[in-house]
Amino acid sequence: AQSVTQLGSHVSVSEGALVLLRCNYSSSVPPYLFWYVQYPNQGLQLLLKYTTGATLVKGINGFEAEFKKSETSFHLTKPSAHMSDAAEYFCAVIDSGGGADGLTFGKGTHLIIQP
Amino acid sequence: DVKVTQSSRYLVKRTGEKVFLECVQDMDHENMFWYRQDPGLGLRLIYFSYDVKMKEKGDIPEGYSVSREKKERFSLILESASTNQTSMYLCASRYLGASNQPQHFGDGTRLSIL
Repeated sequence: AQSVTQLGSHVSVSEGALVLLRCNYSSSVPPYLFWYVQYPNQGLQLLLKYTTGATLVKGINGFEAEFKKSETSFHLTKPSAHMSDAAEYFCAVIDSGGGADGLTFGKGTHLIIQP
Repeated sequence: DVKVTQSSRYLVKRTGEKVFLECVQDMDHENMFWYRQDPGLGLRLIYFSYDVKMKEKGDIPEGYSVSREKKERFSLILESASTNQTSMYLCASRYLGASNQPQHFGDGTRLSIL
């Protein structure tokens, strides 16, 4: 069974600073990895995903993430934070073998942007 | 684009009532899910379905049931609502034919049980 750990339930950065949200996973087989964003009172929206190929993946709104197999990590970054990035971010994993029970989600990280 | 539509954004019900939350997707997805989301607990899977009339318990099925009579519709039922079921409920759907496919979410229903 797979699991996801997001380090830090709350992360605060200044506007214009680097954003780094951490995600570590465990999986017995090669995983597929996802980052979602949730704005207040909305559902989850897909930011980016890693399946195969290039380990650095780019997503919407200037975010990117790098799959590091040796570190079992999939950290999310953005070079320069904007006020509109304030939201809840979820990392998720599924084994490449799939499963009808879907993705396993981390508990989320609330990103706070200081003016 | 995939569209997952939840019938209500906000809902207020009373203790003991039978409550129905409806979810419809327009992409012919086999896989559908119901989660509840509470502060500090993340997303918790209540039930999922992989085909019409098929349903499987998730991590927290107690107090809930589901119905999937048509492929596009997945309903969550609170048999006798209680105050501890006050929460945000999220529906999602997914194409089951390839494991690299993401889940697509509705906007959520914020349910209050008084």
